[in-house]
Amino acid sequence: NFMLTQPHSVSESPGKTVTISCTRSSGSIASNYVQWFQQRPGSAPATVIYEDDQRPSGVPVRFSGSIDSSSNSASLTISGLKTEDEGDYYCQSYDPNIVVFGGGTKLTVL
Amino acid sequence: EVQLVQSGAEVKKPGESLRISCKGSGYSFTSYWISWVRQMPGKGLEWMGKIDPSDFNINYSPSFQGHVTLSVDRSISTAYLQWNSLKASDTAMYYCASGPAFGYWGQGTLVTVSS
Repeated sequence: NFMLTQPHSVSESPGKTVTISCTRSSGSIASNYVQWFQQRPGSAPATVIYEDDQRPSGVPVRFSGSIDSSSNSASLTISGLKTEDEGDYYCQSYDPNIVVFGGGTKLTVL
Repeated sequence: EVQLVQSGAEVKKPGESLRISCKGSGYSFTSYWISWVRQMPGKGLEWMGKIDPSDFNINYSPSFQGHVTLSVDRSISTAYLQWNSLKASDTAMYYCASGPAFGYWGQGTLVTVSS
């Protein structure tokens, strides 16, 4: 099985742009879709990106996703940061029968 | 409106058994796998396993295989997560998730195991 590695934490100022990485340990990042979830304290996770770069309805265009085969990683980019974007972010991918979550990244907007 | 509604919080003693539930509504229950996800206090999300309500096929994470049992009752659109003998280390929030690309999440069930 593979692992997904994320930075433990990132911080940035309101209005700025932040990128969270998610590196796959084995197998190609492009072989299975990557999802990103936001979890605010005390709440269930919610999808902000699915299928590498698709935004669910209701998620602001400030959120974007991409994959980079050269670094075997996926990225979540949030532009025009708002304090409401604070929380934990998890990437996720899968093999046919196994689902893997990254360890999560705590985003602080200060 | 799509909903996954989970059963309420539980407080159990080590060695006791437990089954928690996740009831789906507002979508075709048999169209998507249902996964269970553990979140221990202050920690990240861990995938436990998934069950296909259409044919009852199950895949477990190696980390949870043999420790929990997944099941589903299609007649009432409900999935279950079961333990036969709880441990203190099972104390966690448990989420069910379904839909395309994990688009639907339950509100979570807090399980506390303490003597």
